[in-house]
Amino acid sequence: EPEVTQTPSHQVTQMGQEVILRCVPISNHLYFYWYRQILGQKVEFLVSFYNNEISEKSEIFDDQFSVERPDGSNFTLKIRSTKLEDSAMYFCASSKAGGPRETQYFGPGTRLLVL
Amino acid sequence: AQSVAQPEDQVNVAEGNPLTVKCTYSVSGNPYLFWYVQYPNRGLQFLLKYITGDNLVKGSYGFEAEFNKSQTSFHLKKPSALVSDSALYFCAVRGPGGYQKVTFGTGTKLQVIP
Repeated sequence: EPEVTQTPSHQVTQMGQEVILRCVPISNHLYFYWYRQILGQKVEFLVSFYNNEISEKSEIFDDQFSVERPDGSNFTLKIRSTKLEDSAMYFCASSKAGGPRETQYFGPGTRLLVL
Repeated sequence: AQSVAQPEDQVNVAEGNPLTVKCTYSVSGNPYLFWYVQYPNRGLQFLLKYITGDNLVKGSYGFEAEFNKSQTSFHLKKPSALVSDSALYFCAVRGPGGYQKVTFGTGTKLQVIP
C-alpha cells in the first residue's frame, strides 16, 4: 500500500537557522498539506498546495514558512529562521483530490527541535 | 468555523470489552468526519470516515463509528477491545465548503488493560 514518506525523522537545529523538511506524497495524489503538532497539543493545519500554488494557509503559516514542489515527487516545507516555538512534530499529508470528501493520508512526521 | 471536541483525555477499557471514544463536532452545513489513530512515535493513520448515507460507518481494524446528526456526534466504537488498540485517537472534521484544512480534536488516549 502506498504511503507518504518524510525525511528526516528527527531534526535538531539552532534558533535562527533555516530548516527544510522533506516529504514524498503518494504518487497519484495531487493535493499536498503540512500540519504540525506541538508536544501535547492537537494537530494544526499549516498549508495546502495544489498545482504549484498554495490553495489555503492558516494564520500560523507566516512569512517564515514556505512550501515548494521542487520536482515531480518531493514536497518541502522551509522554515527560514527557526524560533524556539517552532519545535513540534511536522506532518505531511496528501490526497487524490481537494474536496471535503477526500481522505488525507499522513506521513510519519518529522520531529523538529529548536535549541 | 469548524471545530471538534473530544471530551475525554483518556479512556480505559478492559481487553475484550466494548470501547467508545466520544467526539462531537460543529460545522456549517453537512459535515465530513474522520477518525485517525496515532501510535507512539508514528504518524496519523486513517481509520474511517463519514461522508453521507448509512450512519454507521465501518473502518479498519474492526472499528466503526456512528454519526448522529441531531446530537452532532461521531463516536468511535469497537465491540471487543484489544491491547494493541492502545493509542491516541483523533476525531477530525471538514466542512462542505472549499476549505482544504482538516480540523482535529485534542485527541483521546485509549488504554486497553489486559
